[in-house]
Amino acid sequence: GENVEQHPSTLSVQEGDSAVIKCTYSDSASNYFPWYKQELGKRPQLIIDIRSNVGEKKDQRIAVTLNKTAKHFSLHITETQPEDSAVYFCAVETSGSRLTFGEGTQLTVNP
Amino acid sequence: GAVVSQHPSWVICKSGTSVKIECRSLDFQATTMFWYRQFPKQSLMLMATSNEGSKATYEQGVEKDKFLINHASLTLSTLTVTSAHPEDSSFYICSLVWGYTDTQYFGPGTRLTVL
Repeated sequence: GENVEQHPSTLSVQEGDSAVIKCTYSDSASNYFPWYKQELGKRPQLIIDIRSNVGEKKDQRIAVTLNKTAKHFSLHITETQPEDSAVYFCAVETSGSRLTFGEGTQLTVNP
Repeated sequence: GAVVSQHPSWVICKSGTSVKIECRSLDFQATTMFWYRQFPKQSLMLMATSNEGSKATYEQGVEKDKFLINHASLTLSTLTVTSAHPEDSSFYICSLVWGYTDTQYFGPGTRLTVL
């Protein structure tokens, strides 16, 4: 099955700095790559996603890049704010719209 | 996006009892829903795919007789944890794919604690 690796597991940045989280996957047939933000005790919320027909997508301070050849994709958050502090999960879609999640990254933005 | 609800939001039960968790799509008909389990400080693990009008498809290692899934209508899927034990204590979250996109939206989750 699909294997998704996510790094780093924890990330601490100063407010205003950028944060980058990377994921690699194993199944070259995968075509959909969402990123979710999860606050403690809450549901995962989709923050951005990318499909394999594009290499980059941006939404205000958040961007995702995809390298299908190397089978990795990254989340970029610029101008981080304390409210960005949360756990971020990457995911890869496999057959039947099923998602395989990475292990998560605890992002802490220090004021 | 899709609006997904779950009930109950939390439940505490004694070991050996069964617990039913409901997942509802409030604004569109979902032929497919998913059930995940998340242990503290861990990732989401897909348990099964719930298909309206047919049997659920379980992921490898998930006991279908212990985690009963029923998707009786296009807006409701239920997960029943049978003969629950303390190791079943977890955060159970459902999701559905919205419309004809790949976008998956999650319910608010159910915190199960088995004493």
